[in-house]
Order: sequence, then structure tokens, then C-alpha cells
Amino acid sequence: EAQVTQNPRYLITVTGKKLTVTCSQNMNHEYMSWYRQDPGLGLRQIYYSMNVEVTDKGDVPEGYKVSRKEKRNFPLILESPSPNQTSLYFCASSRGTSGRAEQYFGPGTRLTVT
Amino acid sequence: GNSVTQMEGPVTLSEEAFLTINCTYTATGYPSLFWYVQYPGEGLQLLLKATKADDKGSNKGFEATYRKETTSFHLEKGSVQVSDSAVYFCALSVPDTGNQFYFGTGTSLTVIP
Repeated sequence: EAQVTQNPRYLITVTGKKLTVTCSQNMNHEYMSWYRQDPGLGLRQIYYSMNVEVTDKGDVPEGYKVSRKEKRNFPLILESPSPNQTSLYFCASSRGTSGRAEQYFGPGTRLTVT
Repeated sequence: GNSVTQMEGPVTLSEEAFLTINCTYTATGYPSLFWYVQYPGEGLQLLLKATKADDKGSNKGFEATYRKETTSFHLEKGSVQVSDSAVYFCALSVPDTGNQFYFGTGTSLTVIP
């Protein structure tokens, strides 16, 4: 089954404790992206990648890191989480890099930073 | 810059009512436009898209037309069902200028029997 998986689905952590949210897709997609969803703000793009070793900042990259060492994986790293990073996070992937293709979204990771 | 503005919600309709959710955009180039739907507890799914002016995207009875002159991409459905209750997001990307995606704030729709 074609899908985007994220782990963990739920995470509660404390300020400053490094964490990684994994994202993996099995569709051989070139484009992958991370978003955060906050009430009243919709989805905002954090980082995106158009292929292995190619990453770019979205609208809200501060406090986040990403890497794309393999085509299928695109982990999101929070080196020193803060409470303002409490949010619902989505990973997505799409075929090609035209910006015209459908994005497939993962189920989301709900992160709480205390 | 690039941005999407969509109608504030929540919207509550009776079954079989007509639905319009307004979406307007600002873009520096020639955007592709999308509507995504999010059902409770799930990720977003593409509902429809249009990649050039005057294109009409359609799916599951929903339609939206890419209007360059009014910079709009309003979502419509002639007769909503209870199963259409969800949050709807308008989005754009500007191909060839970085492939960033911009989403609206979402409009929550509840359809009552």
C-alpha cells in the first residue's frame, strides 16, 4: 500500500531534550516536506526537499533541522525543543518536483513540549 | 509574496444544501492551486487541483475554477452530505520558484442531517 508513515504519532517531551520525528514514504517520490498545523494558522511549511541531499527552508524553519540521505526518508530534528514548538506535524511527499503534483500526507505527529 | 486567504469558519449546513468556500490568493508567479480535505484525526488528502488559468478541478461533486482575473479558486458543491463534514484547505505552489507550498487557515464544515 502506498503510504507516508510518521513516528511517533504522539510525543510529550521537555524543553531542551533533542528529538527526531521520522518520516518514510514507499512511493519513490522525489519531493518531501514537513508542515506544522496550528489552530487559526493552517499549515505552514517548515522544510522541503526536492531530492537526496537537497533541502530548502520553508516559511518557519527556525528551531528545526532536516536531512535527506535516502530518497525514502526525511526526518525532522528538534535539537532543543521549546514550548512554542508544541504542534501537530505532518510529513508529505509527491512525485516529481514541478510543484503541480498531489502531495500525500502522513497521519501526523502530535508533539507537546513542556 | 505568496499567500492564500480563505473564508473563516466554521460553516454549518443542512444536508443537500449548496456549499461555497471562498479562496483568494496572492502569488509572484503562475501558481498551481489546490483544495485539500482533512477528516477528523487524519492527514490531508487532495480533493482537486488546477494548474493554469480557467482550469476547472473537480472530484466527488466538488468543483473549483482557477480565476486569474479575480485571483480566486472558490470551492463549490451543489448538494452536501453528512460525510462531507471535514476541514477544507486551499493551497498554492509556485512552480519553478522554489516549490514552496502555501496553505490557507482551513475552513471547518459540519453538515447536519
